[in-house]
Amino acid sequence: GQQVMQIPQYQHVQEGEDFTTYCNSSTTLSNIQWYKQRPGGHPVFLIQLVKSGEVKKQKRLTFQFGEAKKNSSLHITATQTTDVGTYFCAGRGGSTGFQKLVFGTGTRLLVSP
Amino acid sequence: DSGVTQTPKHLITATGQRVTLRCSPRSGDLSVYWYQQSLDQGLQFLIQYYNGEERAKGNILERFSAQQFPDLHSELNLSSLELGDSALYFCASSVYSGANTEAFFGQGTRLTVV
Repeated sequence: GQQVMQIPQYQHVQEGEDFTTYCNSSTTLSNIQWYKQRPGGHPVFLIQLVKSGEVKKQKRLTFQFGEAKKNSSLHITATQTTDVGTYFCAGRGGSTGFQKLVFGTGTRLLVSP
Repeated sequence: DSGVTQTPKHLITATGQRVTLRCSPRSGDLSVYWYQQSLDQGLQFLIQYYNGEERAKGNILERFSAQQFPDLHSELNLSSLELGDSALYFCASSVYSGANTEAFFGQGTRLTVV
């Protein structure tokens, strides 16, 4: 079935350092979404990318969708302690069906002040 | 507040028992998803409904079942519970069931099987 992997699994940075998480799907995606889950919280939608090669920015966050629509990345510039949490990518599409929203394995980010 | 309501928030039960988790989607959302999140793990897709009909199924165990009612609320039934079923169960909803729709998550139900 469709699998979505993320690397790294965990990253610990000092406040002010940059952070990047990578998302790779075993199949082509119709779109990619990114969610953030704070410790003890629930996933919250951040953004959606639809077009091949698309790049979107939200303040210090930059999201990219690969040309082949099988990978994506989230880059945070100058991390802050408020960025702490687990970042998930989620994709729809692939051989297992169009409707499923399959989440990646997640990258847990810890930011030290 | 996402607008998605899950009850109960916490549930402790014994092995072999059966429980029902309830989810009320956001007003206007027709699609409901169920996910399982074990400790420090990712979100495992269980099942999805759209306007009362099952639309997609993940690696949901045969001991688990779900349904979406005419008023669009959904229930996830877990039976013959095992210790390994202890997890956080999230419900999410979206307007439609296809692409280009973001999912809004509830606060989750933490199930502990003892």
